[in-house]
Amino acid sequence: GAGVSQSPSNKVTEKGKDVELRCDPISGHTALYWYRQSLGQGLEFLIYFQGNSAPDKSGLPSDRFSAERTGGSVSTLTIQRTQQEDSAVYLCASSLSALTKNEQYFGPGTRLTVT
Amino acid sequence: QKEVEQNSGPLSVPEGAIASLNCTYSDRGSQSFFWYRQYSGKSPELIMFIYSNGDKEDGRFTAQLNKASQYVSLLIRDSQPSDSATYLCAVNMGYSGGYQKVTFGTGTKLQVIP
Repeated sequence: GAGVSQSPSNKVTEKGKDVELRCDPISGHTALYWYRQSLGQGLEFLIYFQGNSAPDKSGLPSDRFSAERTGGSVSTLTIQRTQQEDSAVYLCASSLSALTKNEQYFGPGTRLTVT
Repeated sequence: QKEVEQNSGPLSVPEGAIASLNCTYSDRGSQSFFWYRQYSGKSPELIMFIYSNGDKEDGRFTAQLNKASQYVSLLIRDSQPSDSATYLCAVNMGYSGGYQKVTFGTGTKLQVIP
């Protein structure tokens, strides 16, 4: 079946511009996660959605970052007034449920470059 | 103390050898454990999960879990150059904030030498 999809695959933007990153989880998966991975670094948790609500936003690095999920499916991560330190690969993952074993499956990621 | 610790490597093994990757975790209440493989420039891919003490085998991969000692390992038998990647250990750190939060280690880079 279809896996997690993300768009765009690559995004180059100028410092100060806003960007939107999209994630389409595996059908039927209620939990959705956003992570960030800088070059050569580990995964940095950003936000978790259960359905349309976000019980855990603790990883969002600043108020320039926001995310929403509609219809319990597609999620959008928005970065306002982008800075060069926002350059990274943004990964989305989904799982059937975050209340039990929580096996997460990742999308291919969006590589964001802020110039 | 880091919640999930892995040796960053690189771990170099000759082709055909057994590669042993180790991970320790801090939360004694953790119940679910995962291994992800991440090729350079790609996203993490779930390759193994284990929930009970002991060994779990899947093809050339064996996951080993020892909850008393709080470590989980991944053995790769008959290592191939195509196994060269970074392996991430992930642990369900228990019920916090309304859900079972998975914490990832920083990964061990494996190099299989032909």
